[in-house]
Amino acid sequence: GEDVEQSLFLSVREGDSSVINCTYTDSSSTYLYWYKQEPGAGLQLLTYIFSNMDMKQDQRLTVLLNKKDKHLSLRIADTQTGDSAIYFCAVYNFNKFYFGSGTKLNVKP
Amino acid sequence: SQTIHQWPATLVQPVGSPLSLECTVEGTSNPNLYWYRQAAGRGLQLLFYSVGIGQISSEVPQNLSASRPQDRQFILSSKKLLLSDSGFYLCAWSVVGANNEQFFGPGTRLTVL
Repeated sequence: GEDVEQSLFLSVREGDSSVINCTYTDSSSTYLYWYKQEPGAGLQLLTYIFSNMDMKQDQRLTVLLNKKDKHLSLRIADTQTGDSAIYFCAVYNFNKFYFGSGTKLNVKP
Repeated sequence: SQTIHQWPATLVQPVGSPLSLECTVEGTSNPNLYWYRQAAGRGLQLLFYSVGIGQISSEVPQNLSASRPQDRQFILSSKKLLLSDSGFYLCAWSVVGANNEQFFGPGTRLTVL
């Protein structure tokens, strides 16, 4: 299987940038994703990146992929209190999705 | 557009009772279907996935089973629930294609007492 690791908590002030990091073990993973989960709800896909890309930007979100180090990050610019949630990193490999344990982002006003 | 339904939304069951959670998908054909469990404050654990009717792959040995009687229906079952089966159960679907996006249902909160 694949191991996907994330730090458990991140706390930032409103207006600052947030950077959530993720590492994975299987270099053959083809797609990598970031999901957001608000309390009591399912997971919402935020963005994804294909393994042949280094960076993807989508409005306030920037995804960086370092394939050599098997490291994925999500940067949220101008973080708002509504961004407070759990963020999951996920990788796709042979019909299966492997998820990290989630990073709980706390945005302080 | 595609939608995914799960029911019930919440469930409280005694230890030793049976379980049946249902998931249905609309607006797509031949999806890959998944069951995950999320324990409190933890990440997602893949329980089962299915690439077609009657095809079930189990990821971890456990007290649960899954079935796919129809193309867009995925059922999670147990004959006798354990306390450790409590958690948030999420159904998801994906279609092999451009970016293999996976879409999640709203989840079922199961409490076993």
